[in-house]
Amino acid sequence: DVQLLESGGGLVQPGGSLRLSCAASGVTFSIDGMGWVRQPSGGGLEWISGINNNGNKAYYADSVKGRFTISRDNSMKTLYLQMNSLRAEDTALYYCVRQVTASGDDASDVWGQGTMVTVSS
Amino acid sequence: DIVMTQTPLSLSVTPGQPASISCKSSESLVHSDGKSYLYWYLQKPGQPPQLLIREATNRFSGVPDRFSGSGSGRDFTLKISRLEAEDVGVYYCMQSFQRPLTFGGGTKVDIK
Repeated sequence: DVQLLESGGGLVQPGGSLRLSCAASGVTFSIDGMGWVRQPSGGGLEWISGINNNGNKAYYADSVKGRFTISRDNSMKTLYLQMNSLRAEDTALYYCVRQVTASGDDASDVWGQGTMVTVSS
Repeated sequence: DIVMTQTPLSLSVTPGQPASISCKSSESLVHSDGKSYLYWYLQKPGQPPQLLIREATNRFSGVPDRFSGSGSGRDFTLKISRLEAEDVGVYYCMQSFQRPLTFGGGTKVDIK
């Protein structure tokens, strides 16, 4: 069974940083594009970042560009999201997703359970 | 950015009856390969979204055949032929034709 397990969420003050991790199991991982999608409480879905299978192409939504950095370690089957300069509007449940292709900017067929990020003073 | 508009916002359906959700994109989602890069997801209460339909018309592995997707270009439809209790939740369409990937606002489906 394919499983994605996110960790690293929590409460952080505005302007602070967090690093999310996503451990994959049951997948080859090195052939998969991966990404992050977030969802505010009671709200809709927002794609925020994707990375290709090799890790040499990364894509970002304008809302996080310049503040968030996606990366991956294929040997550890782990995806990361470094979040800096956090704002109240970044408060959301962050889902790790596996994409249907290796490209890094495609739809997702597997989702983790999510990790909650709360930005508040 | 491509804007995805779903209608209706909510739907109450009697079990065993059909349901239909519309999704319209602000630009055509048809790629040069002929595929429309439109996806449908269902988010059941308290769960992450699950993929139902890929490339507008293809049921994802394990998805019951009561779910079907149609459309191309800018107009797409998800149909449930006979609603079951386990189908309640919020349905989202999403495009991967162009970055940034964008989702519709969601359609909440519940039991009448």
